[in-house]
Amino acid sequence: GDSVTQMEGPVTLSEEAFLTINCTYTATGYPSLFWYVQYPGEGLQLLLKATKADDKGSNKGFEATYRKETTSFHLEKGSVQVSDSAVYFCALTPSAAGNKLTFGGGTRVLVKP
Amino acid sequence: DGGITQSPKYLFRKEGQNVTLSCEQNLNHDAMYWYRQDPGQGLRLIYYSQIVNDFQKGDIAEGYSVSREKKESFPLTVTSAQKNPTAFYLCASSYRGEAYGYTFGSGTRLTVV
Repeated sequence: GDSVTQMEGPVTLSEEAFLTINCTYTATGYPSLFWYVQYPGEGLQLLLKATKADDKGSNKGFEATYRKETTSFHLEKGSVQVSDSAVYFCALTPSAAGNKLTFGGGTRVLVKP
Repeated sequence: DGGITQSPKYLFRKEGQNVTLSCEQNLNHDAMYWYRQDPGQGLRLIYYSQIVNDFQKGDIAEGYSVSREKKESFPLTVTSAQKNPTAFYLCASSYRGEAYGYTFGSGTRLTVV
């Protein structure tokens, strides 16, 4: 079945450091890929998405590129802030199979001043 | 503004009691979903509904029930058969189609006392 694997956290960084969160997936066909962010005590917010191979999603300084050859969708940000401290979830919806999201386990990121 | 509303934010239940969590959306989304999140864990799908008067079990449906009588509403009942109901419950909605992401509510934290 479809699955998403994320690097385990927590990831602890200093402010202005470079952030990478690895995400790889297993799916048939051409899934759509998403990154969601969850701040403490809140629901999830869509951060960015990509719907076909080589697409780059971007938002709020975060970027991720859909790499079909490596089945990956790694999240990056060049200079993190304390306000980026949150849990990040990678997710996919399989193609031609409705829109039921499959989530990775989440990666907690802590940015220290 | 359009959005998805979960209520209440905090809920306490005595063992052996059923409790219903509310989820309402005014985004005109066709599909709605219920997820469970345990501390430090990812999201697990309980139930989902693609259209009114129809819903499907997710990965952990035992001990839960839902209804979808209106497009805007998808209440979740946690029954006394659910062995470990203390968790954070998240409702989401989306348009049908794999390229659309979900909009999440802010969640309900259920505690069994």
